[in-house]
Amino acid sequence: DTEVTQTPKHLVMGMTNKKSLKCEQHMGHRAMYWYKQKAKKPPELMFVYSYEKLSINESVPSRFSPECPNSSLLNLHLHALQPEDSALYLCASSQSTGAGGEKLFFGSGTQLSVL
Amino acid sequence: DQQVKQNSPSLSVQEGRISILNCDYTNSMFDYFLWYKKYPAEGPTFLISISSIKDKNEDGRFTVFLNKSAKHLSLHIVPSQPGDSAVYFCAASDQGGGADGLTFGKGTHLIIQP
Repeated sequence: DTEVTQTPKHLVMGMTNKKSLKCEQHMGHRAMYWYKQKAKKPPELMFVYSYEKLSINESVPSRFSPECPNSSLLNLHLHALQPEDSALYLCASSQSTGAGGEKLFFGSGTQLSVL
Repeated sequence: DQQVKQNSPSLSVQEGRISILNCDYTNSMFDYFLWYKKYPAEGPTFLISISSIKDKNEDGRFTVFLNKSAKHLSLHIVPSQPGDSAVYFCAASDQGGGADGLTFGKGTHLIIQP
């Protein structure tokens, strides 16, 4: 199983809504990531969890709240988002958390629209 | 400050010919490089990688070349096929330890013409 599964695939929410994005992998990877990608732009790193602990937060606004309940699951809780937060949200995982190259496996993403 | 640069937003190549996608980087700490392929509304798919201890890595139709002194790498696809039409992202990381994520270039849209 080399899949990273993200749900939902599409999400439309209002600025006052609370929603969550979910990500799951069963490859035994110990690092998991959230990336944000806007159209015609590269993926931008948001958060990194290493061994279920938040290790990197790239100065992401607090309206985005990540959670790693266990080594296979990663959530991104959304609250009071702005229209400019509309984007493709990508989850990824990697095996390597020590020395050595990181090969990230990506999910298919959640296309988020904030109205 | 863009640390990974792909200066060609798009590239059109005839089917059967060689596609060459280029990538430059500025951060001398980067020592592991990857190429990803991406279709619209999907996640990036890993293609091929190279460590800085090598200057070439080959996998089937895909070959990545690394020129450390020029801080330049390229992806060669030969022969190019219609299914290769996609956006290709160059990415880089520092192998020094820990999960730091990847830094991506802006991507090159490869179009394979029949």
